[in-house]
Amino acid sequence: EVQLSESGGGLVQPGGSLRLSCTASGFIFNTYAMTWVRQAPGKGLEWVSTLSGSGTTTYYGDSVKGRVTITRDNSKNMLYLQMNSLTAEDTAIYYCAKVREVAPMHPFDFWGQGTLVTVSS
Amino acid sequence: DIQMTHSPSTLSASVGDRVTITCRASQDIGSWLAWYQQKPGRAPKLLIHRASTLENGVPSRFSGSGSGTEFTLTISSLQPDDFATYYCQQYNSYWTFGQGTKVEIK
Repeated sequence: EVQLSESGGGLVQPGGSLRLSCTASGFIFNTYAMTWVRQAPGKGLEWVSTLSGSGTTTYYGDSVKGRVTITRDNSKNMLYLQMNSLTAEDTAIYYCAKVREVAPMHPFDFWGQGTLVTVSS
Repeated sequence: DIQMTHSPSTLSASVGDRVTITCRASQDIGSWLAWYQQKPGRAPKLLIHRASTLENGVPSRFSGSGSGTEFTLTISSLQPDDFATYYCQQYNSYWTFGQGTKVEIK
């Protein structure tokens, strides 16, 4: 059974940094691209970033480009999102999700429960 | 960037109704479209990929159609468990979600 579990969310001041983690199990982790999607309170879904299975190819959404870095540790089945220069507009639930197929450009078939990031002074 | 637009944004319906949600892409995305269902406080669930292919375990009352720039999600007979928000997503060029359609009880 595929399971994804995010951690690392919390309250951070504007301009601060935060590192989110996602623990994966139930599938061959290093085979699949992984992604982060966020959802601001009461709003829709926004794709944030995707990383290939090997960890060599990254994709970033325009709203976070230059401020976030996606990485993975395939030896630990872990996915990370380092977020810097945070603003109130980054306040959201951040979901970790698995890409449905081996190639990155596919939809997301399994999701974690999300971790809440709140940027406020 | 490819923009995705849902219509309507909100839909009021009753159990047993046939429901259709439309999603339009700002440019041709072929059949690279997915549909998700999200209930309050829950993560999204993938229902359909490649415009019309149901994920395993998704009830057959859900169907998807379309290609190019116009797509539809149809629920043939709305069930109580189907009241939720539905999102389309293009994955032809990176990933973009539509703003969602909330299906609420009439």
